[in-house]
Amino acid sequence: AAGVIQSPRHLIKEKRETATLKCYPIPRHDTVYWYQQGPGQDPQFLISFYEKMQSDKGSIPDRFSAQQFSDYHSELNMSSLELGDSALYFCASRTGRFVRGSGANVLTFGAGSRLTVL
Amino acid sequence: QQQVKQSPQSLIVQKGGISIINCAYENTAFDYFPWYQQFPGKGPALLIAIRPDVSEKKEGRFTISFNKSAKQFSLHIMDSQPGDSATYFCAARAKGATNKLIFGTGTLLAVQP
Repeated sequence: AAGVIQSPRHLIKEKRETATLKCYPIPRHDTVYWYQQGPGQDPQFLISFYEKMQSDKGSIPDRFSAQQFSDYHSELNMSSLELGDSALYFCASRTGRFVRGSGANVLTFGAGSRLTVL
Repeated sequence: QQQVKQSPQSLIVQKGGISIINCAYENTAFDYFPWYQQFPGKGPALLIAIRPDVSEKKEGRFTISFNKSAKQFSLHIMDSQPGDSATYFCAARAKGATNKLIFGTGTLLAVQP
């Protein structure tokens, strides 16, 4: 079964550089969520999109921006990188349309992109 | 402020034993409570989930117990196996809105052979 695809899996950047992470949701999933997980921390919600529109915003720094494209993939852009941005970034997807049945609206996570800022 | 409180932070269980992880919440708008399992370097994977109109849900060796009045829920892993060693996160979702998940702080489970 197709899963959520994230790229790159690993990324090393210098302070003040920019980085772009990509997320390809499960086919027919129209809702994408971005989470940031620091070392030994729980995932923190950053931002979400439904049908290419931002649907919710969490603790996302102003230096970060994201969007969802017409093919439903999403990109997280991070600028002026700081050491504290080093983390695992997870994308998750689900369908925003109500589908009866257990698990139909489950949030499925990708394997994550590990960003290291030096 | 942690909206979903999880304990213990770490847990060591012998093979065959029962692992119990507890979570508590305050927001009565939460209407869906999943548990996720995460292995090092991997994304969280849904293990089992429950809605507040049910007091218990069992899937194989995994059981969620839910106490709506106390606003607490727990994960029980029966016959724990070394392969269960992972970090477990409880989570909660507010009804309506955007279905984002709020995670607990995680429990690192180690099952000793």
